Amino acid sequence: AQKVTQAQTEISVVEKEDVTLDCVYETRDTTYYLFWYKQPPSGELVFLIRRNSFDEQNEISGRYSWNFQKSTSSFNFTITASQVVDSAVYFCALSEPKAAGNKLTFGGGTRVLVKP
Amino acid sequence: DAGITQSPRHKVTETGTPVTLRCHQTENHRYMYWYRQDPGHGLRLIHYSYGVKDTDKGEVSDGYSVSRSKTEDFLLTLESATSSQTSVYFCAISYLGTENNEQFFGPGTRLTVL
Repeated sequence: AQKVTQAQTEISVVEKEDVTLDCVYETRDTTYYLFWYKQPPSGELVFLIRRNSFDEQNEISGRYSWNFQKSTSSFNFTITASQVVDSAVYFCALSEPKAAGNKLTFGGGTRVLVKP
Repeated sequence: DAGITQSPRHKVTETGTPVTLRCHQTENHRYMYWYRQDPGHGLRLIHYSYGVKDTDKGEVSDGYSVSRSKTEDFLLTLESATSSQTSVYFCAISYLGTENNEQFFGPGTRLTVL
């Protein structure tokens, strides 16, 4: 069975500090996808990034960066120079292969609080 | 924004009452999903659909049923609501192309069962 663990339940930082969110996953599939979603206080879920299991390149998008390491089954997310607007709950998720309906298994989420 | 709406957005009901939540999409995506969100659990899959009249169970399907008679609508029914089904329910859709398999979520429905 697939599993996603986000060990940090809540992180509190002061604006402009960097924050790294950990995500560790378990799967027996060789082909899989990893995702990060953001849930701001307004409650909607916002897609941030998708990464497939064959692409271990790190990715940067503005102040966001992602570090995918297959060897440690981790897909960590870093926010550089955090801002108050980054305050949200962040979810890491893992999808099963296409034949199984692309179902997502979510971690428990990490709440990030950025204080001014 | 993906064209996904959920109705109602908020509902309070009593134990033992049947409840139906509706998810409507305008994207013509084949795959639709129902998740529930509870503190500490992230989101957990209840049921999903891979086409009209084609549905399957997820991780937490007990006490729930679904129906999909049209591509655009996916209904979630609680036959006899219980307090443990108090939660926020999210619908999602997916294109499921070769490299476009991310799911897009609706705004959520907050359900309280008294």
